[in-house]
Amino acid sequence: EAGVTQFPSHSVIEKGQTVTLRCDPISGHDNLYWYRRVMGKEIKFLLHFVKESKQDESGMPNNRFLAERTGGTYSTLKVQPAELEDSGVYFCASSQEGLAGFQETQYFGPGTRLLVL
Amino acid sequence: AQSVTQLDSQVPVFEEAPVELRCNYSSSVSVYLFWYVQYPNQGLQLLLKYLSGSTLVKGINGFEAEFNKSQTSFHLRKPSVHISDTAEYFCAVSASGGYQKVTFGIGTKLQVIP
Repeated sequence: EAGVTQFPSHSVIEKGQTVTLRCDPISGHDNLYWYRRVMGKEIKFLLHFVKESKQDESGMPNNRFLAERTGGTYSTLKVQPAELEDSGVYFCASSQEGLAGFQETQYFGPGTRLLVL
Repeated sequence: AQSVTQLDSQVPVFEEAPVELRCNYSSSVSVYLFWYVQYPNQGLQLLLKYLSGSTLVKGINGFEAEFNKSQTSFHLRKPSVHISDTAEYFCAVSASGGYQKVTFGIGTKLQVIP
């Protein structure tokens, strides 16, 4: 079974440009999460999709970030325009729908390393 | 809200020696606890998790962790480390129940010395 995949693995862009990150979850996983790790800091939650709906987007830093999940399958995270502080590693994770009260394990992708110059 | 404190940013240890990576958490509600590992140039992999039941949790690669509610700790241990255990380890917490975001610690880099 294929794991969570992310594309691209690395991206180097200039300040003001636009970048789109893609995440393909494990097939059949309704839950999809985006996280970000800025160098030297904690991995921080950005948002959570259940199928195509945003369940929780409380971690999105500002309105330069736009996440979508077309048809409840893959997800994209667009940063427009990118700023220097957006540099970091962006992780995607997915999990199955769990029984009420049970946290299904989140499986993480390898991350996209974004560098904004 | 939950928070996680990993007390050591780097832990050097000789091969075949025991290791303990410390983790303390803070939460006003019941929690689930996790340890993830990130090997160089790879994604995060779940080592073990505590959801309920026995406070001693065994994970992959010979690791185990003990949930201590009174001390709000979830320390990770291995009796004898191998070179291949060199990686970054993340302690994480989420509120129990339903779909909850995971809050991570800052990570501990384990360096196994031959």
